[in-house]
Amino acid sequence: DQQVKQNSPSLSVQEGRISILNCDYTNSMFDYFLWYKKYPAEGPTFLISISSIKDKNEDGRFTVFLNKSAKHLSLHIVPSQPGDSAVYFCAASAYGGATNKLIFGTGTLLAVQP
Amino acid sequence: DTGVSQDPRHKITKRGQNVTFRCDPISEHNRLYWYRQTLGQGPEFLTYFQNEAQLEKSRLLSDRFSAERPKGSFSTLEIQRTEQGDSAMYLCASGGPSGSYNEQFFGPGTRLTVL
Repeated sequence: DQQVKQNSPSLSVQEGRISILNCDYTNSMFDYFLWYKKYPAEGPTFLISISSIKDKNEDGRFTVFLNKSAKHLSLHIVPSQPGDSAVYFCAASAYGGATNKLIFGTGTLLAVQP
Repeated sequence: DTGVSQDPRHKITKRGQNVTFRCDPISEHNRLYWYRQTLGQGPEFLTYFQNEAQLEKSRLLSDRFSAERPKGSFSTLEIQRTEQGDSAMYLCASGGPSGSYNEQFFGPGTRLTVL
């Protein structure tokens, strides 16, 4: 079963506009969430994270919002730049688990048009 | 460069051969993970080491797969009698002290193609 879902396989936005990437999860034990960015032929690069005790975390152009009641999180990129074009993965972990292993969604391909 | 490194970056092998991959984590990280990524999917957890101890293995890790982390430093992942279904990107990640919220930092991956 897919515990972390990214229902939009792709997203296209204009340079300078906002990009909003969405993620849903089903496991209520998840309490730490991360976003990674991946270019072809490279490993995922950590972007931003949020713990379940918060509902927002901001780092420069990137903001992650968490809605625990809806089991939904989103990544906002403002303003979007062509260099942001990549696949974005949402991931979750359960702190109570000994390993903190990450469960990933299937990714959203973001294309930022100049 | 103080990031996670993996070797080789690419491996092409024939079905039935054995392959071994190496991962060097960030030096101060005691947590080490192996993941596998296939086309159109996100990375899937394979196994976890805390220092030299292998504490969890996924059901994805059949008995043809074995991983080690001697002395709690670098790690190796071996696949015996490779099958075409083993073709994937194998990713290694490391993280800081266990028991805390820490991000995992990934290496560039090893792309395995089994012919």
